[in-house]
Amino acid sequence: NAGVTQTPKFQVLKTGQSMTLQCAQDMNHEYMSWYRQDPGMGLRLIHYSVGAGITDQGEVPNGYNVSRSTTEDFPLRLLSAAPSQTSVYFCASSHLQETQYFGPGTRLLVL
Amino acid sequence: DAKTTQPPSMDCAEGRAANLPCNHSTISGNEYVYWYRQIHSQGPQYIIHGLKNNETNEMASLIITEDRKSSTLILPHATLRDTAVYYCIVRGGSNYKLTFGKGTLLTVNP
Repeated sequence: NAGVTQTPKFQVLKTGQSMTLQCAQDMNHEYMSWYRQDPGMGLRLIHYSVGAGITDQGEVPNGYNVSRSTTEDFPLRLLSAAPSQTSVYFCASSHLQETQYFGPGTRLLVL
Repeated sequence: DAKTTQPPSMDCAEGRAANLPCNHSTISGNEYVYWYRQIHSQGPQYIIHGLKNNETNEMASLIITEDRKSSTLILPHATLRDTAVYYCIVRGGSNYKLTFGKGTLLTVNP
């Protein structure tokens, strides 16, 4: 049981490049979500999903796309990276309405 | 979800109990109080949660006042590894979103 895993751990992008942040969980959790954390701030919700094929927007969804084709995976896509997207990204998962568990994070630097 | 208020920072001596307060005066009857902590930009770590009654697990105790307007997280014997930002979050049972504030930076001193 690996819990919530995220790849890569660290990424540097140039403005305009695209990339996908990966999140996977092996606990058969229905709920998965993405947060971003800027320096000195709390986490802010980007997108979330309550099951395969179902996604919804969080607090700060602009510039990010998600899809949920399987229960295990919930990738976050940046179509055209901007410096404002420099942040640490965390993925979380849980059974519905139960305690959420977080992954170790991906540090993204957009130049 | 109800808003929470926490002190920005606290200090505690190693081996002593750390008591972290949280105010949530607008909490609703079906909302839970959750505590997470974040050690040096790692992923937030779940500590404990409760609805009405006091709760205890291997990490901490959670004391919720009778009117539910405030709570205290207690780390009974703080160690240097407990130095972290502690987040108090109020979450409704049917709401998936966790709203993180700035939390309390607990520094455990030797």
